[in-house]
Amino acid sequence: DGGITQSPKYLFRKEGQNVTLSCEQNLNHDAMYWYRQDPGQGLRLIYYSQIVNDFQKGDIAEGYSVSREKKESFPLTVTSAQKNPTAFYLCASSYSYGYTFGSGTRLTVV
Amino acid sequence: GENVEQHPSTLSVQEGDSAVIKCTYSDSASNYFPWYKQELGKRPQLIIDIRSNVGEKKDQRIAVTLNKTAKHFSLHITETQPEDSAVYFCAAIKGGGSYIPTFGRGTSLIVHP
Repeated sequence: DGGITQSPKYLFRKEGQNVTLSCEQNLNHDAMYWYRQDPGQGLRLIYYSQIVNDFQKGDIAEGYSVSREKKESFPLTVTSAQKNPTAFYLCASSYSYGYTFGSGTRLTVV
Repeated sequence: GENVEQHPSTLSVQEGDSAVIKCTYSDSASNYFPWYKQELGKRPQLIIDIRSNVGEKKDQRIAVTLNKTAKHFSLHITETQPEDSAVYFCAAIKGGGSYIPTFGRGTSLIVHP
């Protein structure tokens, strides 16, 4: 899958539970990003990190949390505070203008 | 901040026709404009890009044009094929540090055989 791996591909969560989505890259990219994708909404930025141990909120950060303890890894936790978490989540990494997406995780709340 | 508008949201064409998707951006400092193709359930993939010092770029059946004065850029697909059916996203990126793209909302292209 070309250097950036998201797991799992499908994830089911019960209401009220936190869940963590994994994103790992071996491209040596400094910057990593999390996007949420809903039908007709395009790609909405949740969080991004440009350097290890630092990250910033994107446009829709409420109900989500992240960490960046290693350059290769940028996990996203969807907390119980996120009211409508069912969506397709995409991770990406970049160096300068070069941008690479992961294959995505589809999260469904049951 | 940057704002990218993309039109149309849905485009339906017959196989062999041309398709044009248009984007406008607001920040004149944006200097790199990629286009991504996303097939159903898959990751977006870069199909073509253009920098602000170029007015047009072509790659086989795909071309992108940029009008910096009007702050708009367009994707042109000629001789469309059913495998061109996908969602297409435009983006604008301002260099000089953050390189965070602002994406359009996407265009669903449907090519009927």
